[in-house]
Amino acid sequence: DTGVSQDPRHKITKRGQNVTFRCDPISEHNRLYWYRQTLGQGPEFLTYFQNEAQLEKSRLLSDRFSAERPKGSFSTLEIQRTEQGDSAMYLCASSIGGVETQYFGPGTRLLVL
Amino acid sequence: AQSVTQLDSHVSVSEGTPVLLRCNYSSSYSPSLFWYVQHPNKGLQLLLKYTSAATLVKGINGFEAEFKKSETSFHLTKPSAHMSDAAEYFCVVSVPGREGNKLTFGTGTQLKVEL
Repeated sequence: DTGVSQDPRHKITKRGQNVTFRCDPISEHNRLYWYRQTLGQGPEFLTYFQNEAQLEKSRLLSDRFSAERPKGSFSTLEIQRTEQGDSAMYLCASSIGGVETQYFGPGTRLLVL
Repeated sequence: AQSVTQLDSHVSVSEGTPVLLRCNYSSSYSPSLFWYVQHPNKGLQLLLKYTSAATLVKGINGFEAEFKKSETSFHLTKPSAHMSDAAEYFCVVSVPGREGNKLTFGTGTQLKVEL
């Protein structure tokens, strides 16, 4: 068990560029969650997968955001045409379905200039 | 829908004195409740969780929390603070079997521990 990993840890981009983040969950965890944390706030739910199926998306996830989990293992979160308001920490968590404990990765900190 | 309110955004204690971080929750269903800790530049770490078993929950590093349904509270305590406890603490609620068990976080309490 190597824990949840995320890549990159930091990303600086210019407004209007596209960015993609990767999350590798704990092996055998069939649920994968994405959260966003802005400065001074708690994390907010974005979306989650059970295996490869994306089962829920928050209204925070605008059309510029897309997430995939093609083989039910790692997941990617893409933001198109980034805006300064997208600057945040993007957190990934995984769990075994039906068990509430979610284990978090270290996060990807995005700064949009 | 569920929500949590962390009553203090900042708490400052002296090393060796008790810690109390307050949390109230709201949920239409029987909730699961958690406390997570976030140290600077580190990921969120689970301290403890309540899932409808014993109302007094013991966690790691000497922390514990008591679920009080009548008061809709889940306050976090520790008898004696250590310098290494300085971090941000989040009270979290979810509803088992609903909405994918997604977590709803409070706004956090920054704990400062002074010598």
